[in-house]
Amino acid sequence: EAQVTQNPRYLITVTGKKLTVTCSQNMNHEYMSWYRQDPGLGLRQIYYSMNVEVTDKGDVPEGYKVSRKEKRNFPLILESPSPNQTSLYFCASSSTRQGIAKGYTFGSGTRLTVV
Amino acid sequence: GEDVEQSLFLSVREGDSSVINCTYTDSSSTYLYWYKQEPGAGLQLLTYIFSNMDMKQDQRLTVLLNKKDKHLSLRIADTQTGDSAIYFCAESTSGTYKYIFGTGTRLKVLA
Repeated sequence: EAQVTQNPRYLITVTGKKLTVTCSQNMNHEYMSWYRQDPGLGLRQIYYSMNVEVTDKGDVPEGYKVSRKEKRNFPLILESPSPNQTSLYFCASSSTRQGIAKGYTFGSGTRLTVV
Repeated sequence: GEDVEQSLFLSVREGDSSVINCTYTDSSSTYLYWYKQEPGAGLQLLTYIFSNMDMKQDQRLTVLLNKKDKHLSLRIADTQTGDSAIYFCAESTSGTYKYIFGTGTRLKVLA
């Protein structure tokens, strides 16, 4: 089954404790992206990757890191989480054509709480 | 910068048509999309339209694009309780890899 798999689904952590949210896709998509969803703000892009070893900042990259060492994986790293990073996070992947990310396939989301 | 706006809420009666509206600012948008998010789930792509099209129909869904006014709408015919969800419009532009979502419209279908 074509899918994007995120782990964990739920995570409660303490301020300053490094964490990684994993994301893996099995569709051989070039393009992967991380979003956070907050009430009233919709989805805001954190980072995206056009292909292996190619990443770029989205609209809200502060406090986050990513890597793309393999095509299928795109982990999101919070080196020193803070309470304002409490949010619902989505990983998504897409094929690309002429510089456009086509329709996304989304993961099921990771609800992160930082206390 | 580019922006995509939607109204936050819409309530309709079961069996009626729903129309969800979206406006965007980027005149170079190439693709425009509609996604559905059910409670506790990720977003699911419903349909998309190329910017050189005016209309696209897919079963109960009709997408209308007014490029002059930068207005996109999603019409759901014979709305059912299972259509209750948050609907997001999004746009992307050729050559930029940028993909911008609206804030989402929460559709509530009353039985």
